[in-house]
Amino acid sequence: DAGVIQSPRHEVTEMGQEVTLRCKPISGHDYLFWYRQTMMRGLELLIYFNNNVPIDDSGMPEDRFSAKMPNASFSTLKIQPSEPRDSAVYFCASSSGQGYSPLHFGNGTRLTVT
Amino acid sequence: QKEVEQNSGPLSVPEGAIASLNCTYSDRGSQSFFWYRQYSGKSPELIMFIYSNGDKEDGRFTAQLNKASQYVSLLIRDSQPSDSATYLCAVVFSGGYNKLIFGAGTRLAVHP
Repeated sequence: DAGVIQSPRHEVTEMGQEVTLRCKPISGHDYLFWYRQTMMRGLELLIYFNNNVPIDDSGMPEDRFSAKMPNASFSTLKIQPSEPRDSAVYFCASSSGQGYSPLHFGNGTRLTVT
Repeated sequence: QKEVEQNSGPLSVPEGAIASLNCTYSDRGSQSFFWYRQYSGKSPELIMFIYSNGDKEDGRFTAQLNKASQYVSLLIRDSQPSDSATYLCAVVFSGGYNKLIFGAGTRLAVHP
């Protein structure tokens, strides 16, 4: 089991640029989550999918953020245009959705917007 | 507003002592509760989950749940320096399906 795979591990970009973060969930997991972690706000849920369908995107901070899940093994989180306040660690996590199943986190993408 | 509250710490305990980490949540209908550990620069990893009132033990860790008081805690017995990390409490609120909401975390420091 390879676990949840995120790429890139680090991303440094300039304000105004488009940023795309990628995630491959654990095979067989029906739920995929995108979280953002900062010192000030902790771990915030941005959006989550069930069977590739977005269920709750109420945590997406604004229209600059978008997420897609075109198939069961791939998801992207896009920020366009990026701003310095978007600097954070972005985690992707997946779960099986069976009963009260826990989340399995990827290693995260550390985003720095200058 | 559904919230999960934790004392940010740091909680400092000597090696070998019991560390007690606490968490309160706002939604009385919540059914499932998780404790994650996060080392600096790493991703959160699951330690324990609990669904029923009472205690649940796993090795040196004990989770305690009191739904009437909307309170969940984690006890770490025989604390080791390797336990030094941030401990995150997470709750699935009623109607939230598998949507996990995290507290801000408590930083634990175990000193030799």
